[in-house]
Amino acid sequence: EVQLVESGGGLVQPGGSLRLSCAASGFTFSTYAMSWVRQAPGKGLEWLSVVSDSGGPTNYADSVRGRFTISRDKSNDTLYLQMDSLRAEDTAVYYCAKQRYSFIGAFDVWGQGTMVTVSS
Amino acid sequence: AIQLTQSPSSLSASVGDTVTITCRASQAITSALAWYQQKPGKAPKLLIYDASYLQSGVPSRFGGSGSGTDFTLTISSLQPEDFATYYCHQFNTYPTTFGQGTRLDIK
Repeated sequence: EVQLVESGGGLVQPGGSLRLSCAASGFTFSTYAMSWVRQAPGKGLEWLSVVSDSGGPTNYADSVRGRFTISRDKSNDTLYLQMDSLRAEDTAVYYCAKQRYSFIGAFDVWGQGTMVTVSS
Repeated sequence: AIQLTQSPSSLSASVGDTVTITCRASQAITSALAWYQQKPGKAPKLLIYDASYLQSGVPSRFGGSGSGTDFTLTISSLQPEDFATYYCHQFNTYPTTFGQGTRLDIK
């Protein structure tokens, strides 16, 4: 079964850091680009970042560039999102998503999401 | 960034109805468009990719069309499980962007 399982969410103070993980299974992880997408409470979907199948090229939304870092580890089929300098507006459910191609494409598999709350 | 505008933002329909949701891009995106369904508390689910291709396992009452800047999602013979929020998504260029969503309610 193709599956993505996120972990690492929680409550963090403004200015703090958090690292999210996304464990992949059921497909050849190293063949596909992977992204992070978030959804603030009651709001729509916002793409945050992508890493290519090789782990080389990456891209970020302006809202997180310079604060968030995406990476992947092919040795354990895991995607990461290091989040620094967190702000209240980063409060959201964070999803990892598999893309249909090596660097761009529709998101055909999604994790269940992990909640991040930034508050003092 | 390419903006996607969905219409309507919400609509009410009955079981058995056929509904159409449109998505307009602020610039041409060829056929690099997908549609997702999201139910409360759940992750989005891919319905249509590359504008008109049905994702495996998705019922054939869902259909997509369009290219360039104008796209549509059509749901025929609505079923109770189809009442949800629908998002379009362009992946022609980064940053990849989503429409604001269309909420489909039971009339």
